[in-house]
Amino acid sequence: KAGVTQTPRYLIKTRGQQVTLSCSPISGHRSVSWYQQTPGQGLQFLFEYFSETQRNKGNFPGRFSGRQFSNSRSEMNVSTLELGDSALYLCASSLGSWAANEKLFFGSGTQLSVL
Amino acid sequence: AQTVTQSQPEMSVQEAETVTLSCTYDTSESDYYLFWYKQPPSRQMILVIRQEAYKQQNATENRFSVNFQKAAKSFSLKISDSQLGDAAMYFCAYRSAKSGGSNYKLTFGKGTLLTVNP
Repeated sequence: KAGVTQTPRYLIKTRGQQVTLSCSPISGHRSVSWYQQTPGQGLQFLFEYFSETQRNKGNFPGRFSGRQFSNSRSEMNVSTLELGDSALYLCASSLGSWAANEKLFFGSGTQLSVL
Repeated sequence: AQTVTQSQPEMSVQEAETVTLSCTYDTSESDYYLFWYKQPPSRQMILVIRQEAYKQQNATENRFSVNFQKAAKSFSLKISDSQLGDAAMYFCAYRSAKSGGSNYKLTFGKGTLLTVNP
C-alpha cells in the first residue's frame, strides 16, 4: 500500500511569488491535514479537509489556502510569499472519522525556501 | 486552547542505555489522546506510542513506554536499550477526544532532538 506522497520535495521561490504544494493520501483515506514546521515555531496546524470540505483551520493568514479534490488529493497554496513562510510543510492522511484508534500517516514533506 | 511543552530541546544517551524524554501539556478537557512521534532525517513523522487519557495503564510498545500522570498533566517517554536508529527528533502531541471540526488536529510540542552515542 503506497504511503502519503508529497510533491515536490524541495521548492525555492522568491518573495511575492505564490506556490502550490500537493499531497496524495493513502488510498481509501478521506481526510488530509496540513502542518507547517519551522525551527522557531515547531509544528503548527494549517487546515484539515474531509471529502472536499474544510473542517478545521489553524491560525494562519488568508494567504494560506487549500482544497481537496474528489479523489482526496489535496493542494495547499501560499500567495504573496514572505521570508517567514520558509518551512517544511507536512501533510497527513487518515480515514477521517478521527475515532479513538484512528492513525494519522504523514508524508515526508515539502521543504519550501523563500529567498 | 491546549498547549504542549517539551522542556528538553536536546538529549543524548549511550547506546544500550535508557533515556526519558519529558512532556507536559495543558488542557481543560478530561478526555483526550497523547502521542509521541519520531521524526528521523527522512522527515517523515512516525507514530511511536499513544495513550488514551481515560486509561490509567501506561502504554508500552516494545522498548518504548510512557509514564502518564493525568493529574500532573505529564506524559514522558522512556526508551530502553537505546539503539543508533532511535536517533531522531521526538515530538509529543495532543488530540482532543471530542468530535467536531475544531478538534480535528494535533497540537505538537517543539520537539526534543535525541542523539544516541555508540
